[in-house]
Amino acid sequence: GENVEQHPSTLSVQEGDSAVIKCTYSDSASNYFPWYKQELGKRPQLIIDIRSNVGEKKDQRIAVTLNKTAKHFSLHITETQPEDSAVYFCAAASSGNNDMRFGAGTRLTVKP
Amino acid sequence: DAGITQSPRYKITETGRQVTLMCHQTWSHSYMFWYRQDLGHGLRLIYYSAAADITDKGEVPDGYVVSRSKTENFPLTLESATRSQTSVYFCASSKGTGYTGELFFGEGSRLTVL
Repeated sequence: GENVEQHPSTLSVQEGDSAVIKCTYSDSASNYFPWYKQELGKRPQLIIDIRSNVGEKKDQRIAVTLNKTAKHFSLHITETQPEDSAVYFCAAASSGNNDMRFGAGTRLTVKP
Repeated sequence: DAGITQSPRYKITETGRQVTLMCHQTWSHSYMFWYRQDLGHGLRLIYYSAAADITDKGEVPDGYVVSRSKTENFPLTLESATRSQTSVYFCASSKGTGYTGELFFGEGSRLTVL
């Protein structure tokens, strides 16, 4: 089955700096790559996703890049703000296999 | 719009007892999922359901039972709770065709097995 590895496990940045979280996956059939944000004590919520036919996607301060050849994808947050502090999870899914696997999560702390 | 709700939110039980966690969604989404969240493991799929009366195992199904007699409900039962099942459990639903669409999570149920 799919295996997703996520790095780093913790990340601390100054407000205004950029943050990058990286994930690798093992199943070449994976074609959907979402990112979820979970604030302390809350439910995970989708913040951005990308499909395998696209190399990059942006939504305001958030962007995701995908390298299918290398089987890795990354989340980029620019101009970080304290409210960006949360745990971020990447995931990889294959519509054919009906399976989605999550990374172990990255705890991002944005210092004011 | 209630969305997706879980109950109970917090539960303390003893080893060997049966526990049922409830999940209810008001969107008529076809797909529903149960995940457990443990530190260092992210979210791991226990069971999922593609429609009423259709369920299938996920990554960590041992010790759990599910049923789905109605589209809107997807209860998760721990038949004989063990300490290793202490975790936060999230129910989710998807309006897409399974995994290639957004998952909408419930608020979570924190279970402690003593």
